[in-house]
Amino acid sequence: QLQLQESGPGLVKFSETLSLTCTVSGGSISDTSSNYYWVWIRQPPGKGLEWIGSIHYTGTTFYNPSLESRVIISVDTSKNQFSLTVRSVTDTDTALYYCARGQANWFDPWGQGILVTVSS
Amino acid sequence: DIQMTQSPSTLSASVGDRVTITCRASQSIADWVAWYQQKPGKAPKLLIYKASTLQSGVPPSFSGSGSGTEFTLTISSLQPDDFASYFCQQYTRYPLTFGGGTKVEI
Repeated sequence: QLQLQESGPGLVKFSETLSLTCTVSGGSISDTSSNYYWVWIRQPPGKGLEWIGSIHYTGTTFYNPSLESRVIISVDTSKNQFSLTVRSVTDTDTALYYCARGQANWFDPWGQGILVTVSS
Repeated sequence: DIQMTQSPSTLSASVGDRVTITCRASQSIADWVAWYQQKPGKAPKLLIYKASTLQSGVPPSFSGSGSGTEFTLTISSLQPDDFASYFCQQYTRYPLTFGGGTKVEI
């Protein structure tokens, strides 16, 4: 059974860089049997869901234009991980960050999520 | 961007009720819609994709319908475990976008 687990610091200072990693277990991130993408999604406290971006194991990426100038998503197939970097964080980046597998751009399964708070 | 407008934002219901949640897209998205259930403190769970295809393991009390710009998620008989928030999502084009959510409460 495929499982995803987010990891990284829960507190990031204003204007600094947020870095998270998603570790995939129970399957290969470079599975070629289906055209999977690996995805980051976030949810500010008490609010809705925002797609951040997606990456294929080959390195092809798609980003939300609202975040594209500050975001990088990368993949490390040797570690079965993919990562998220968000530069110059502000209060609006405080959120629960989820990683998930994308199949035809719906998402299943999801990681349990990690709360990242931006502090001043 | 394609806007997904969900209604209602909150829905009060009782066990055994039939519940319908609507999602309207700002432009036609064929049937490229997914629905998710989220319980407090938990990650969203995929219920339905391609507007009406039930994900494996999801009870048949859940169903989805619609195409173009209007979509519905129906729970035929609400169970205690179904009290949660529900989100729609379009995946016809980037950026992928979600509806604002519907909280189903007692």
